[in-house]
Amino acid sequence: EAGVAQSPRYKIIEKRQSVAFWCNPISGHATLYWYQQILGQGPKLLIQFQNNGVVDDSQLPKDRFSAERLKGVDSTLKIQPAKLEDSAVYLCASSPGSSGNTIYFGEGSWLTVV
Amino acid sequence: SQQGEEDPQALSIQEGENATMNCSYKTSINNLQWYRQNSGRGLVHLILIRSNEREKHSGRLRVTLDTSKKSSSLLITASRAADTASYFCASYYGQNFVFGPGTRLSVLP
Repeated sequence: EAGVAQSPRYKIIEKRQSVAFWCNPISGHATLYWYQQILGQGPKLLIQFQNNGVVDDSQLPKDRFSAERLKGVDSTLKIQPAKLEDSAVYLCASSPGSSGNTIYFGEGSWLTVV
Repeated sequence: SQQGEEDPQALSIQEGENATMNCSYKTSINNLQWYRQNSGRGLVHLILIRSNEREKHSGRLRVTLDTSKKSSSLLITASRAADTASYFCASYYGQNFVFGPGTRLSVLP
């Protein structure tokens, strides 16, 4: 079974530029998550989708971050304009449902904002 | 913040020794899960314990849950160098997982 795919793996941008990350979850998984993990900290949920609907985006900085999940499968996370404090690993994850199932993580997209 | 806390923040042991990590959380949960993260990689699920369970085993892993104290512990027995990683607990309540800051485990050969 293929795992959660993310791209790009690494990205370096200047502040105020934009960046987009892509995620392909495990086939058949209804729930998709985007987490932000700052070095030395645990993952922080940015947004959770159930199929193509948003379940929780309370911690998403909506003035600069946006995310969509087209057709309930792939998802993109965009940051525009980026700030220095956005430097982090952006982890995409998926699970079969939303009732506390195991979450399967991708390898992450490492963002450095300079 | 509803985030849980792991304790200790960092742990260094010799190969063959046991490693114990603790996790505390703040609200009633449906279940609690432990994940491992190797440097530069994504998180990998280790074990899930439900709120009505008190102890669970998986290979060299033993997890306990004390809902009265809102705490859980992860024990890794007979540690190996390959166990070197960060370990996170994730408490599940409502529809959300909340991860703690993690324990960084170093197993020295």
